[in-house]
Amino acid sequence: ETGVTQTPRHLVMGMTNKKSLKCEQHLGHNAMYWYKQSAKKPLELMFVYSLEERVENNSVPSRFSPECPNSSHLFLHLHTLQPEDSALYLCASKRIGASSTDTQYFGPGTRLTVL
Amino acid sequence: SQKIEQNSEALNIQEGKTATLTCNYTNYSPAYLQWYRQDPGRGPVFLLLIRENEKEKRKERLKVTFDTTLKQSLFHITASQPADSATYLCALLLMDSSYKLIFGSGTRLLVRP
Repeated sequence: ETGVTQTPRHLVMGMTNKKSLKCEQHLGHNAMYWYKQSAKKPLELMFVYSLEERVENNSVPSRFSPECPNSSHLFLHLHTLQPEDSALYLCASKRIGASSTDTQYFGPGTRLTVL
Repeated sequence: SQKIEQNSEALNIQEGKTATLTCNYTNYSPAYLQWYRQDPGRGPVFLLLIRENEKEKRKERLKVTFDTTLKQSLFHITASQPADSATYLCALLLMDSSYKLIFGSGTRLLVRP
């Protein structure tokens, strides 16, 4: 285990549903990330939170809404998704600062299927 | 345009041989290059980091080289084992941001017993 957990591991939802993905890190890190991984494509960075403040929003559609209530938790709220949003959604965390190792630790991902 | 390229075809080798995976990039000036391993249904796991001023890095059976002139990194696994079968991702950490990693699409390695 990497110290980063994600729930649920699998999610099937209709285009009109609202759901949320949850990520929790137990590593004392202060930056958290959401990535999207589609088949045969590179990981796409979606959002970055550093010290609980959003520092990156990579032109992600508004149907994806992140929330970072504290440095250990990250959510991705989903609503009115499209079938092309089906993918593996990965959360990662990292320690930034003077003692940073520059290494991101990934969770196992949530496999999302939009019908 | 900026690109990171990894061989999209799977690399199929015999157990005991050395596997060599390639990562090429264009129009980036990375400060670091990292290699990750990803197994099916799981998140990537960090393996090695090499800095722009380093030519080579080793860790057990793994070796990474970084040529900023050629804009290329090679990732070697010596004495490969079936347990090494996975997808290997390279990622660049850019000089213009201390937070952002840019990933390649990965190369799948299959090690036959």
